[in-house]
Amino acid sequence: GQQVMQIPQYQHVQEGEDFTTYCNSSTTLSNIQWYKQRPGGHPVFLIQLVKSGEVKKQKRLTFQFGEAKKNSSLHITATQTTDVGTYFCAGRRSNYQLIWGAGTKLIIKP
Amino acid sequence: DGGITQSPKYLFRKEGQNVTLSCEQNLNHDAMYWYRQDPGQGLRLIYYSQIVNDFQKGDIAEGYSVSREKKESFPLTVTSAQKNPTAFYLCASSIPGDYGYTFGSGTRLTVV
Repeated sequence: GQQVMQIPQYQHVQEGEDFTTYCNSSTTLSNIQWYKQRPGGHPVFLIQLVKSGEVKKQKRLTFQFGEAKKNSSLHITATQTTDVGTYFCAGRRSNYQLIWGAGTKLIIKP
Repeated sequence: DGGITQSPKYLFRKEGQNVTLSCEQNLNHDAMYWYRQDPGQGLRLIYYSQIVNDFQKGDIAEGYSVSREKKESFPLTVTSAQKNPTAFYLCASSIPGDYGYTFGSGTRLTVV
């Protein structure tokens, strides 16, 4: 069935370093969404990408959707302690339901 | 303020007992969803409802039941048939179609 693979599972960075998480789908997606879940919290919607090759920015966050609409990435520039949490991608299935990646946990090294 | 309320935040039950998790929203969203989250895994869909009095099974519906008698409410019952019910349960809602989901704060269920 359709799957969305997300890597890496964890990423440890020093504060101020960059962070990137990648999602790859086995099939073409109609769109992809990104969510952030703080420790002990619930997922919060960040953004949706719809068009092939789309790039969107939110302050230090850059989201990309691949040309084939099978992969996506989230890049955070100069991480801050407020960025800590797990970032999930969720691809839209043909039946309109979301299929979720397993998440990438961003850990800031002390 | 509009949002989704899940209660309780923590729930403990004995094995073999049914338990119902509450989910209420005042966002006027037609679509509502129940997800289960286990450590190190993504969200897995249990049930969803696009409209009142209608709901569909998700990927892991066995051992769960739902009802959608009101637009605002989508309670989830975890039955004794669910083999491994201890998990974090998240309720969400959305406008039907290509829109982001709004999540409640979740219920952590522990079955002992």
